Amino acid sequence: AQSVTQLDSQVPVFEEAPVELRCNYSSSVSVYLFWYVQYPNQGLQLLLKYLSGSTLVKGINGFEAEFNKSQTSFHLRKPSVHISDTAEYFCAVSFSGGYNKLIFGAGTRLAVHP
Amino acid sequence: DAMVIQNPRYQVTQFGKPVTLSCSQTLNHNVMYWYQQKSSQAPKLLFHYYDKDFNNEADTPDNFQSRRPNTSFCFLDIRSPGLGDAAMYLCATSGGLADPSSYNEQFFGPGTRLTVL
Repeated sequence: AQSVTQLDSQVPVFEEAPVELRCNYSSSVSVYLFWYVQYPNQGLQLLLKYLSGSTLVKGINGFEAEFNKSQTSFHLRKPSVHISDTAEYFCAVSFSGGYNKLIFGAGTRLAVHP
Repeated sequence: DAMVIQNPRYQVTQFGKPVTLSCSQTLNHNVMYWYQQKSSQAPKLLFHYYDKDFNNEADTPDNFQSRRPNTSFCFLDIRSPGLGDAAMYLCATSGGLADPSSYNEQFFGPGTRLTVL
C-alpha cells in the first residue's frame, strides 16, 4: 500500500535560519510528489511539485525540494525562513498514469520565531 | 484568473439541519474532489467526480452526498450534520483537456469552514 510519512509533526526555527521538512513515501510504482502549504483558515497552496526530469525542484517563496528515489524521500528546504513562513506544510504523492488521488502526509507545523 | 471558488467561506448550521456547500471552477477541469479536513489533520478525500461519474470513498458516511450539475459546479450536501462533521471542507479540481499534464496536479479552493451548533 502507498503511504506518506512526514517525520516531524512540529518544527520550531528562528527567523533567518535554514529549515528542512522531511517527507518519505512508500510505493511500488512511479510517483508524482507535491508540497502544499496551508495558512490558518485557508485552502492548500501548491509550493512545488516533482513530475519528472530534474530531481531538484524549485518552488515559490524560496522553497526547494529534492526527489531521492533510492531513499524514497522528497524533503523540503529553505535556506532562510521568515516569520510569514509559519504555516502547516503537507507532503503528498499521487501515482503516474491517468488521474490519481493524492495521498497526504500528516503535516508538519513550521513555527518561525523572531 | 482561472480558479476554484468555494462559497460560503464560513458556514454555521444546527445539529441535524441539512447544509449545502458550493464549489465552482473556471479551469474547465474534468475532475472535482471534495475533502474533509479536521483540526490539525491532513485532508481526507470524501468523493470525486470524473466528468459525470461519481466515485465515493469506501469510508465516506452516507450522510454526505454530492451533486455535479455541470462541469463548473459541484455541491456537497450534508443531510444531518453532527457535531463530528465540524471541519474545513476543501474542493479541488484536476484534469483539463487542453493540458493533459494537469491531471497530475490538484488545484484547491480556499475552503469552507463548517461549524455545527
